[in-house]
Amino acid sequence: DGGITQSPKYLFRKEGQNVTLSCEQNLNHDAMYWYRQDPGQGLRLIYYSQIVNDFQKGDIAEGYSVSREKKESFPLTVTSAQKNPTAFYLCASSQGARGNQPQHFGDGTRLSIL
Amino acid sequence: AQTVTQSQPEMSVQEAETVTLSCTYDTSESNYYLFWYKQPPSRQMILVIRQEAYKQQNATENRFSVNFQKAAKSFSLKISDSQLGDTAMYFCATVSPDKIIFGKGTRLHILP
Repeated sequence: DGGITQSPKYLFRKEGQNVTLSCEQNLNHDAMYWYRQDPGQGLRLIYYSQIVNDFQKGDIAEGYSVSREKKESFPLTVTSAQKNPTAFYLCASSQGARGNQPQHFGDGTRLSIL
Repeated sequence: AQTVTQSQPEMSVQEAETVTLSCTYDTSESNYYLFWYKQPPSRQMILVIRQEAYKQQNATENRFSVNFQKAAKSFSLKISDSQLGDTAMYFCATVSPDKIIFGKGTRLHILP
């Protein structure tokens, strides 16, 4: 079945450590997105990519980095510069580069600080 | 800038009742789309319904329907014959123009 796979489901980060969250899709979608969700809050956009080898900052990009070397993959690195990384992270994809197509979401990764 | 406002942070209704979730939005797009997403306790985001702004007919999906008032920039979600499985966070969203903007959500509790 086609879908989006996020891994790991749970992730723990030590102080000063960079961690990478994986997001893979086999839907052949052009666009991919990363969101952060804090408890009881909505989704805030971190980064998005409309095409391979290109990506744009969202509303809260500071302390995060991404790459889009392959159409199906859009990993997110939470760097040590992100001082409050504890949150639920959702990856999404959509057909086409414009936002008029619905987004399909992965199951999320919960990141916590040790 | 595009914005989405959900004025009801939390709601509770009895099972089998009908409930309406409110959403207002602002967009500079001339042709745009609106969405309602559901996030149950499992945290999975699920598309509930989509409305294309140029279509006057309100979208429906089984027990879910919308009341789309384009001039008022209002896009409410009606859930008929509510079920326990409808308990979730519901997010309204619109397009901006190459990404989707989400509201802060309404937490809906269906009571047995």
